[in-house]
Amino acid sequence: SQELEQSPQSLIVQEGKNLTINCTSSKTLYGLYWYKQKYGEGLIFLMMLQKGGEEKSHEKITAKLDEKKQQSSLHITASQPSHAGIYLCGADQAGTALIFGKGTTLSVSS
Amino acid sequence: ETGVTQTPRHLVMGMTNKKSLKCEQHLGHNAMYWYKQSAKKPLELMFVYSLEERVENNSVPSRFSPECPNSSHLFLHLHTLQPEDSALYLCASSQGVRRGETQYFGPGTRLLVL
Repeated sequence: SQELEQSPQSLIVQEGKNLTINCTSSKTLYGLYWYKQKYGEGLIFLMMLQKGGEEKSHEKITAKLDEKKQQSSLHITASQPSHAGIYLCGADQAGTALIFGKGTTLSVSS
Repeated sequence: ETGVTQTPRHLVMGMTNKKSLKCEQHLGHNAMYWYKQSAKKPLELMFVYSLEERVENNSVPSRFSPECPNSSHLFLHLHTLQPEDSALYLCASSQGVRRGETQYFGPGTRLLVL
């Protein structure tokens, strides 16, 4: 079965700094989703990537899909306290639903 | 964000109780899902419904019983739960169940089994 590994598990950055979170799949990625979760709450959809080399941006968050490496990265530019939370990647697999990584917990210190 | 709502938000129950979780989606979607999120574990898919028909059941114990009366509502009936069932239960919906269909999540129900 497919597995998603996220790195790092957690990180603390100073406000204004850039950061990158990675999501690596054990199998070919057909669709990769990024979500953000505040502790104990639901997942907020950020963006979806489907094609190798695809890159999407929303405000200060950019996600890329490297299909050959079976990997996606999420980059945040000039981090703010509002970026703090848990970032989860999810992937389409055979069947009907997504599988998810364990998440990366981001803290932003002001 | 009120596309997918869940009630109650918090629930404490004893192992002999019977309770139900409710999920409602206002997005006009045809597929609905139940996930379980435990500490330090990836989200675990429990059930998938498409057009009110169950299409996936991920080896979930029978003490969890789903119900989908229409495409907008999804219930999870709970009885004789165990303490290890304490977790955040998330509902999601999507337009369909094909690849590339984005799932939108509710705020979750935090369940504590004593």
